[in-house]
Amino acid sequence: NAGVTQTPKFQVLKTGQSMTLQCAQDMNHNSMYWYRQDPGMGLRLIYYSASEGTTDKGEVPNGYNVSRLNKREFSLRLESAAPSQTSVYFCASGPSTDTQYFGPGTRLTVL
Amino acid sequence: DQQVKQNSPSLSVQEGRISILNCDYTNSMFDYFLWYKKYPAEGPTFLISISSIKDKNEDGRFTVFLNKSAKHLSLHIVPSQPGDSAVYFCAASISSGTYKYIFGTGTRLKVLA
Repeated sequence: NAGVTQTPKFQVLKTGQSMTLQCAQDMNHNSMYWYRQDPGMGLRLIYYSASEGTTDKGEVPNGYNVSRLNKREFSLRLESAAPSQTSVYFCASGPSTDTQYFGPGTRLTVL
Repeated sequence: DQQVKQNSPSLSVQEGRISILNCDYTNSMFDYFLWYKKYPAEGPTFLISISSIKDKNEDGRFTVFLNKSAKHLSLHIVPSQPGDSAVYFCAASISSGTYKYIFGTGTRLKVLA
């Protein structure tokens, strides 16, 4: 039982490049989330998916797109990376909205 | 505008003593609060939650107190253990059952052996 897994763990991009961060959970959770954590800012919600087939914007969605591929997988795409998107990205899932289980994070640097 | 504030970036406590981590919020509509713990290179893990209909919730060594009039909550860890050394985040939402939580900036706790 792996819980929430994220790939890659680290990534360096040049400005303007695109990439997709992958997230998968094996706990049969309905809800999935993407957060970013910046120094001095706490965690901020980018997008969430309440259930398979639905996605909604969070607090800071600009510059990102998401896909809930199936119940297990929720990906985050940066179409044209910018230095302001340098951050640590966390995926989370939960059986309810009150409990979230987080992945280990992806550290992204945009040069 | 930071709606959830953790004004102490760090805290050091002796093993066996009480650790008190504080969190203030500005939005009086918040009515559900959570605490998470985070070790380096790991994701946050859920610790304890409290609804605004309560003023205290206890789970083992962890107790969360809520003072709605002061818009303040605190997490007490008694007794503190070296394994408690981590960054602690508080988070707030408007109603349990929502998907949107506002997180504080975190407090780094160091428990000294």
